Amino acid sequence: QKEVEQDPGPLSVPEGAIVSLNCTYSNSAFQYFMWYRQYSRKGPELLMYTYSSGNKEDGRFTAQVDKSSKYISLFIRDSQPSDSATYLCAMETKTSYDKVIFGPGTSLSVIP
Amino acid sequence: DTGVSQNPRHKITKRGQNVTFRCDPISEHNRLYWYRQTLGQGPEFLTYFQNEAQLEKSRLLSDRFSAERPKGSFSTLEIQRTEQGDSAMYLCASSWKQATEQYFGPGTRLTVT
Repeated sequence: QKEVEQDPGPLSVPEGAIVSLNCTYSNSAFQYFMWYRQYSRKGPELLMYTYSSGNKEDGRFTAQVDKSSKYISLFIRDSQPSDSATYLCAMETKTSYDKVIFGPGTSLSVIP
Repeated sequence: DTGVSQNPRHKITKRGQNVTFRCDPISEHNRLYWYRQTLGQGPEFLTYFQNEAQLEKSRLLSDRFSAERPKGSFSTLEIQRTEQGDSAMYLCASSWKQATEQYFGPGTRLTVT
């Protein structure tokens, strides 16, 4: 079992839809949870960063962490064609020299 | 642009050749990371520097791979005797001390023929 699991998609939604992206993980020591967006042939771009359980909102993006279920989510409201990208969840303990473990990514297409 | 930069952006090489990539982190960041990403996968950790000290190396980093960060500024990643399995995107990221947010460069795409 991989440490971080993520549905690879592809996920296709119409413009304006609410998108839900999810990851599960097995290592209960993870404390920091991140979402990165990666456009084709580009480096990942940090979108959201949360510590422990709870919600965090930034514009159209909301990140949720449920440590009891080992489950994290990213919600995108009013999705736009420019949101079409691969979304990578990532997580980290603070006992491993800041080594970040990434999920395989979910490919999202927002259709105009 | 004060982001992380990587050079070259693309490299095509023949099997058995040596290649070297360069990463210039964000200037005030003292931590620098190298990752490898293959198609359909997330980045996989290779190695990490704090200033000039290389503090951790992944088991993915075979003896053919070596990374340096002289003077704690830019870093180089060298692959000796390249193999076709080395074909991937090599990503560099940097961060500031204990901060968790890592900022990635655009990557160097290596193709070994």
